[in-house]
Amino acid sequence: AQSVTQLDSQVPVFEEAPVELRCNYSSSVSVYLFWYVQYPNQGLQLLLKYLSGSTLVESINGFEAEFNKSQTSFHLRKPSVHISDTAEYFCAVSDRGSTLGRLYFGRGTQLTVWP
Amino acid sequence: DTGVSQNPRHKITKRGQNVTFRCDPISEHNRLYWYRQTLGQGPEFLTYFQNEAQLEKSRLLSDRFSAERPKGSFSTLEIQRTEQGDSAMYLCASRQGSNTGELFFGEGSRLTVL
Repeated sequence: AQSVTQLDSQVPVFEEAPVELRCNYSSSVSVYLFWYVQYPNQGLQLLLKYLSGSTLVESINGFEAEFNKSQTSFHLRKPSVHISDTAEYFCAVSDRGSTLGRLYFGRGTQLTVWP
Repeated sequence: DTGVSQNPRHKITKRGQNVTFRCDPISEHNRLYWYRQTLGQGPEFLTYFQNEAQLEKSRLLSDRFSAERPKGSFSTLEIQRTEQGDSAMYLCASRQGSNTGELFFGEGSRLTVL
C-alpha cells in the first residue's frame, strides 16, 4: 500500500517570499506523483504531475516540484508567492502498475500568503 | 459548464436517515471515482467505476453505502441509516483514458449528520 506524508499542516508566508511544501511518500511499488490545489469553495485541481523523464516538473503558474527517488520526496516550491496562491495543497501518489488510477492523498498543507 | 457536477452541495440529516448524492461527470469520461474527505484529512478513496462497472470498493465503504452508475453516465452514492461518523465531504472525480490522465474533481457534497 502507498502512504503520503505532508509534514506541515499550515504554512504562512508573506507575499513575494519563497515557499516549499514538503511531501514524502512510502510505497512498495513504483508510483506516479501529483500535486493538487484546492482554492476556497472550489474542487481540487491538478497543479502538476510526475510520470517519467525529468525529475523536475513545473506548473503554468510558477510552481515546481522535484521527484527525489532516494529520499522518496516530491516537494513543491515557488520562488515568489502571490496572495492568490492562498489555498490548500495536496500531494498524492498512484501505483504505476495499476490500471485503476486510484490516488492516495496526504492530509494537505494550507498555504496562506499575507500582504 | 462542462465540469464535474455534484448535488446536493450540502445535506443536513438526522442520524438514521438515508441520503443520496449524485455526480454528473464530464460527459466523455469513462472513469468515475468517489472519495471522502473529513476535516483535516486528505481525500480517501471509496469506489471506482469504469463505464457502468464498479471495479473496486474500499474497505471504508461499509454495507450501509452503495454506489451505482447506470448506463455509465451519472453516478449516485447512497448512505443508509446514517451515523454521525458519516459526516464528511463526499467528492466525485472523473477522467478519460489512462490512469495517468488528469483527474477532474467536483466541488463536493457536504454531509452533516446530527
